[in-house]
Amino acid sequence: GIQVEQSPPDLILQEGANSTLRCNFSDSVNNLQWFHQNPWGQLINLFYIPSGTKQNGRLSATTVATERYSLLYISSSQTTDSGVYFCADRGSTLGRLYFGRGTQLTVWP
Amino acid sequence: KAGVTQTPRYLIKTRGQQVTLSCSPISGHRSVSWYQQTPGQGLQFLFEYFSETQRNKGNFPGRFSGRQFSNSRSEMNVSTLELGDSALYLCASSLGVRGGRNYGYTFGSGTRLTVV
Repeated sequence: GIQVEQSPPDLILQEGANSTLRCNFSDSVNNLQWFHQNPWGQLINLFYIPSGTKQNGRLSATTVATERYSLLYISSSQTTDSGVYFCADRGSTLGRLYFGRGTQLTVWP
Repeated sequence: KAGVTQTPRYLIKTRGQQVTLSCSPISGHRSVSWYQQTPGQGLQFLFEYFSETQRNKGNFPGRFSGRQFSNSRSEMNVSTLELGDSALYLCASSLGVRGGRNYGYTFGSGTRLTVV
């Protein structure tokens, strides 16, 4: 299956700062998603972005499928952005996602 | 529309017991997959069902099993529970691939299982 590497593993920011999270993939990207895991454990969809760029408020994501990586940008971070961010893709396998280990983001007031 | 519903939210079981977790997918979604999340191993894929058939299986012992019903609802069962089975179990549903287009996955809130 596809290998997913996320960086950085941990990120500590002050409120208002910007950040960039990165995912590298070992194989072709087909179904790339970014998730935010809330304190209760639920994985919240942020973006479905197999290619190109999307924006949603303060968050935006870019996937360069030919180079097998994706970036998640968080601007003007808020304390509510804290949590773990995961990227995942199914690679060439139907029916499952391969996850990275996540980036633990902590935003201080 | 309703999201992915997992029940129960929390569960405490004793070693050796068995447990059944339930997942109701988004209406119209025929793919349901299950993941185990632990601090040490991260998110690990258990299995995926599509139209009542197991299509993919992760690397878990036979104590972990699942099924999918004709209404796409899915259950997973863990028999002879071990302390190491304590984890957050997440279910996801998807439309899959339709008309050459891939669709993403939506996750439920999870079931937090504690084995004592």
